[in-house]
Amino acid sequence: DQQVKQNSPSLSVQEGRISILNCDYTNSMFDYFLWYKKYPAEGPTFLISISSIKDKNEDGRFTVFLNKSAKHLSLHIVPSQPGDSAVYFCAASATGANNLFFGTGTRLTVIP
Amino acid sequence: DVKVTQSSRYLVKRTGEKVFLECVQDMDHENMFWYRQDPGLGLRLIYFSYDVKMKEKGDIPEGYSVSREKKERFSLILESASTNQTSMYLCASSLSLTMGAFFGQGTRLTVV
Repeated sequence: DQQVKQNSPSLSVQEGRISILNCDYTNSMFDYFLWYKKYPAEGPTFLISISSIKDKNEDGRFTVFLNKSAKHLSLHIVPSQPGDSAVYFCAASATGANNLFFGTGTRLTVIP
Repeated sequence: DVKVTQSSRYLVKRTGEKVFLECVQDMDHENMFWYRQDPGLGLRLIYFSYDVKMKEKGDIPEGYSVSREKKERFSLILESASTNQTSMYLCASSLSLTMGAFFGQGTRLTVV
């Protein structure tokens, strides 16, 4: 059973506009959430994370929002650039656990 | 910078062969993971290890085994390769999951 879900397999956005990638989770024990970016034929690279004690974390063009009551998080990329085109994975973990649970990924295409 | 190195980028093996995928990390991380990535399924955990000689099954351990004789090295073994094990295999390591996991570049395995 998928505990972390990314319901949009793909997203296309014009360069300069905002990209919003969404992620839902079912396990209320999750208290740390991460976003990874993956280019073809490469391993995922860590992008940004957020603890459950926060509802927002910002790093440059990337902002992650967490809504614990809705068990939902989102990644905002502003402004979007062609180099952001990649597959984005949402991941979650629980304190004391030794595993990251990943979503199925969203392929972002930024159109020049 | 953390470096996670997988021994091969591409491998082609025959059905029934025993296959070894090697992973080495250079940051003294306790936790190491093997995932496989398939289209539409995201990253699925095969096995993880939280210490030398310690291992835990992930979500899809069937047909696989692992070995961790040294802290820096985590090997994935396909005892008898089958065509449904054709996939991208990703190794990762982490000191703490709240600090994110670092991935290798991946091994694209094709079983014919």
